[in-house]
Amino acid sequence: EPEVTQTPSHQVTQMGQEVILRCVPISNHLYFYWYRQILGQKVEFLVSFYNNEISEKSEIFDDQFSVERPDGSNFTLKIRSTKLEDSAMYFCASRAQMTLTYNEQFFGPGTRLTVL
Amino acid sequence: TQLLEQSPQFLSIQEGENLTVYCNSSSVFSSLQWYRQEPGEGPVLLVTVVTGGEVKKLKRLTFQFGDARKDSSLHITAAQPGDTGLYLCAGDPYNTDKLIFGTGTRLQVFP
Repeated sequence: EPEVTQTPSHQVTQMGQEVILRCVPISNHLYFYWYRQILGQKVEFLVSFYNNEISEKSEIFDDQFSVERPDGSNFTLKIRSTKLEDSAMYFCASRAQMTLTYNEQFFGPGTRLTVL
Repeated sequence: TQLLEQSPQFLSIQEGENLTVYCNSSSVFSSLQWYRQEPGEGPVLLVTVVTGGEVKKLKRLTFQFGDARKDSSLHITAAQPGDTGLYLCAGDPYNTDKLIFGTGTRLQVFP
């Protein structure tokens, strides 16, 4: 069964360093997302991406964050200068062509980002 | 701000018992998804409910979407240790592409 994959599974970085989190969405999906989950808290939306551009972003997704689909398969999240509060699980999700009635997203296993 | 509150937050039961998890909001949603999440892993989609009043069954799990599309419930019959995990509801608001996740219900089923 097709699935979303993410690498690395765990990333440790120093505060102020840049990190790139990578995702390979399900191959025929057209909509891509990043969410994060701080330990013990809810899953929070960061950004959605369609047709090679951001379609929606949350307040969390400030100028330190960027997303890119550099080729036909990868979808990346870059954090330019990490802060301690960026420590979280980051989930990539993808969705097939939108139906008229529902928004069914499939999630990857996540990347645990630890900022020291 | 759209919020989804789940109750109970924690639930510990014996194998064979029945349970119901609730997901409530003051907002109306286009659809609602239920996910299950294991520690250190991503949410895994269980079901999507779309129509107000809709009931969907997945083996021993029964999902219902409220008539007003503001709430949902998950009922598990004869719970098994394999049902242990974090259950998340996620609402799909109108006119937006994101999912709003609930606060989660952590279920533990003891043999």
